[in-house]
Amino acid sequence: DGGITQSPKYLFRKEGQNVTLSCEQNLNHDAMYWYRQDPGQGLRLIYYSQIVNDFQKGDIAEGYSVSREKKESFPLTVTSAQKNPTAFYLCASSSGRENSPLHFGNGTRLTVT
Amino acid sequence: RKEVEQDPGPFNVPEGATVAFNCTYSNSASQSFFWYRQDCRKEPKLLMSVYSSGNEDGRFTAQLNRASQYISLLIRDSKLSDSATYLCVVSLSSNDYKLSFGAGTTVTVRA
Repeated sequence: DGGITQSPKYLFRKEGQNVTLSCEQNLNHDAMYWYRQDPGQGLRLIYYSQIVNDFQKGDIAEGYSVSREKKESFPLTVTSAQKNPTAFYLCASSSGRENSPLHFGNGTRLTVT
Repeated sequence: RKEVEQDPGPFNVPEGATVAFNCTYSNSASQSFFWYRQDCRKEPKLLMSVYSSGNEDGRFTAQLNRASQYISLLIRDSKLSDSATYLCVVSLSSNDYKLSFGAGTTVTVRA
């Protein structure tokens, strides 16, 4: 079955450590996204990529980094510079065509203490 | 003004009732509109796209009002399983790669 896989589902890290969240899709989608969701709030865009080897900052990119070396993969690194990293992280993809919806992975819940 | 705004609710309705709520957007150039459903601690899932002429999917009806810049979702004959948070999603411009999410409207259907 086609879909988006995020791993791990739960992740615990100590403050000051970088951590990388995995996102893989086999939908042959061009566009991929990373969102962050905090309790009671909407999704906020961290980074997005329209094509391999290219990506753009979203609204809250500070303290995060991404790469898009393969069409299928869009890993997100949460660096120690991110002031409040504990959150629910959601990866999504879309074909990028007009009116194409986002397909989400099942998320990674990151807790930093 | 936020790019996408929703009434957070909660809307508490009995089974079988009809519930409706809106979502307003700020960018008149927005072209793509969607409703997503999100259950507690889960990922959002596409409920339906919203088309200019309005569209229906079973008990769910979505409407778009470009003049007033809002979309709406109506749920008929509510089921317990409809209890969720409904997210409004709007493209920010003609660039459909970037979508903006509302904070969600919570619906609770009671027996």
